[in-house]
Amino acid sequence: AQTVTQSQPEMSVQEAETVTLSCTYDTSESDYYLFWYKQPPSRQMILVIRQEAYKQQNATENRFSVNFQKAAKSFSLKISDSQLGDAAMYFCAYSERDFGNEKLTFGTGTRLTIIP
Amino acid sequence: NAGVTQTPKFRILKIGQSMTLQCTQDMNHNYMYWYRQDPGMGLKLIYYSVGAGITDKGEVPNGYNVSRSTTEDFPLRLELAAPSQTSVYFCASSFRGGGNTEAFFGQGTRLTVV
Repeated sequence: AQTVTQSQPEMSVQEAETVTLSCTYDTSESDYYLFWYKQPPSRQMILVIRQEAYKQQNATENRFSVNFQKAAKSFSLKISDSQLGDAAMYFCAYSERDFGNEKLTFGTGTRLTIIP
Repeated sequence: NAGVTQTPKFRILKIGQSMTLQCTQDMNHNYMYWYRQDPGMGLKLIYYSVGAGITDKGEVPNGYNVSRSTTEDFPLRLELAAPSQTSVYFCASSFRGGGNTEAFFGQGTRLTVV
């Protein structure tokens, strides 16, 4: 079974600084998707960024970017110019591409605090 | 757009009671999912559906049942509530499965079983 591991339960960063959240995963598949979701205090799960495993180029979305290392099965999220609104739980997630196995498997999350 | 709507937002149940968590989406998505989130943990998949009339078990299905009679609705039924079912429940939907398209989540239902 696929597993997703987030080894940092909590992280903090000064406003306007850069922070990197770590994620590793385990799979025997060669083609899959990886995600970072944000969960603010409102509990609403929000997609931050998505990476397709067959694409070597790292995904970016404005201030958010990933470092995808397929061989190492590592998928870290970098947040640049941190803002107070970035404070939330961040979940790394994995999904296969095959029909019938389209299930998001989540890590345990990293709570990010932004220090003004 | 309403997106994914879950009701109720909060509920307290006594042990042995039953209830149905409602989930409806107005985006004409084929795929729908139910997750539970325990304190300090990620989301675990309970059941999912790839279309009306089709459901399948996820990682933690015991104690739950689902049905999918329409594209829009995907209710989750707890038959005999147990304290172990105290959790926050999330419904989600996507146009296609897995990572092909973005999954949209409801705001969750906080359930306490006492």
